[in-house]
Amino acid sequence: GDSVTQMEGPVTLSEEAFLTINCTYTATGYPSLFWYVQYPGEGLQLLLKATKADDKGSNKGFEATYRKETTSFHLEKGSVQVSDSAVYFCALSDPYQKVTFGTGTKLQVIP
Amino acid sequence: DGGITQSPKYLFRKEGQNVTLSCEQNLNHDAMYWYRQDPGQGLRLIYYSQIVNDFQKGDIAEGYSVSREKKESFPLTVTSAQKNPTAFYLCASTLAGVLGELFFGEGSRLTVL
Repeated sequence: GDSVTQMEGPVTLSEEAFLTINCTYTATGYPSLFWYVQYPGEGLQLLLKATKADDKGSNKGFEATYRKETTSFHLEKGSVQVSDSAVYFCALSDPYQKVTFGTGTKLQVIP
Repeated sequence: DGGITQSPKYLFRKEGQNVTLSCEQNLNHDAMYWYRQDPGQGLRLIYYSQIVNDFQKGDIAEGYSVSREKKESFPLTVTSAQKNPTAFYLCASTLAGVLGELFFGEGSRLTVL
């Protein structure tokens, strides 16, 4: 079956540091890829998405590029802020609306 | 306001009892989902439903049951056959054909004593 693998956390960065959270996937066919974010005390919300190879999703300064050749969808941000502290989940959807999530990566940004 | 309502927010039950968690949405979404969230294991899919009167097993369906009699409702029953039911349960929904863009409820925390 489909699966998503994320780098283990927690990831601790200083404010204004560069962020990369790795995500790789296994799927038959061509899934759509997503990053979700869960801020402390809040529900999960969609951060960004990409629906086909080489698409770049972006939102709130975060970016991720759908790399079919490496089956990856790494999340990046050039300069993190304390307010970015959250748990980040990588996910994929098959064409039949089955959505599979990774284990999540906790990010802590310190001033 | 449109959204997804899960109830109850907290639930305590004795071992061996069946428990039903409610999920209602007024977003006119077609597809609905149930996930279980455990520390270190992320979200694992229990069941999902694309249309009324139809649903599919997810990756950890054993010990759970669902129904989809109305578009807006997708209740989850945690049966006594579920070996480790204590967890945080999340319901989500989306429009048909809008792959992966899920709207989540606030969750229900079930503790089995």
